[in-house]
Amino acid sequence: DVKVTQSSRYLVKRTGEKVFLECVQDMDHENMFWYRQDPGLGLRLIYFSYDVKMKEKGDIPEGYSVSREKKERFSLILESASTNQTSMYLCASSPGGRSNQPQHFGDGTRLSIL
Amino acid sequence: AQKITQTQPGMFVQEKEAVTLDCTYDTSDQSYGLFWYKQPSSGEMIFLIYQGSYDEQNATEGRYSLNFQKARKSANLVISASQLGDSAMYFCAMREGKYIQGAQKLVFGQGTRLTINP
Repeated sequence: DVKVTQSSRYLVKRTGEKVFLECVQDMDHENMFWYRQDPGLGLRLIYFSYDVKMKEKGDIPEGYSVSREKKERFSLILESASTNQTSMYLCASSPGGRSNQPQHFGDGTRLSIL
Repeated sequence: AQKITQTQPGMFVQEKEAVTLDCTYDTSDQSYGLFWYKQPSSGEMIFLIYQGSYDEQNATEGRYSLNFQKARKSANLVISASQLGDSAMYFCAMREGKYIQGAQKLVFGQGTRLTINP
């Protein structure tokens, strides 16, 4: 069965810290995505990657960076965490090749920045 | 810019009734796709149903069907015979027409919180 695993369900960090959110998929998917979810705003795309070491900005990349050194792993990095980055973060993956297959999501990480 | 609008922040429905969740979209692309996802309180996003812009038939998956009205730019989700376990947030999403190296970006609506009452 399809599996996207996010390393933490809940995370509490302090302002100014460097924060790493990890995501691993076991489906050999080419594409991986990071979203943040806020009440009333739905999900907004931060970054995505279509191959190892390749990345593209989404709609709200400011304050974030990403890393994809292996096909199955996609990391989201908050370089210097701020309180406005308190949110739910969701990772997803999908096959490549112009497929209409849906994106498969992890369970999410609730991140609080104090 | 592509946009998805879900106008119902919350809905309350009696168990076993049918329910329609509204979704309208705005795009200038000829080729696009529409997805519905369910998010229970536990947080995971569960894919429900997909409709392509060129699909002539409305998509169906078990108790879920998609009422696709292309001219009106609407893609409403219909859940027949609702169950208590259907209580969740529901998101409508649209695939942008262009692919970037095979990756499709999704634009999401604000979501509708559905509550099924016994």
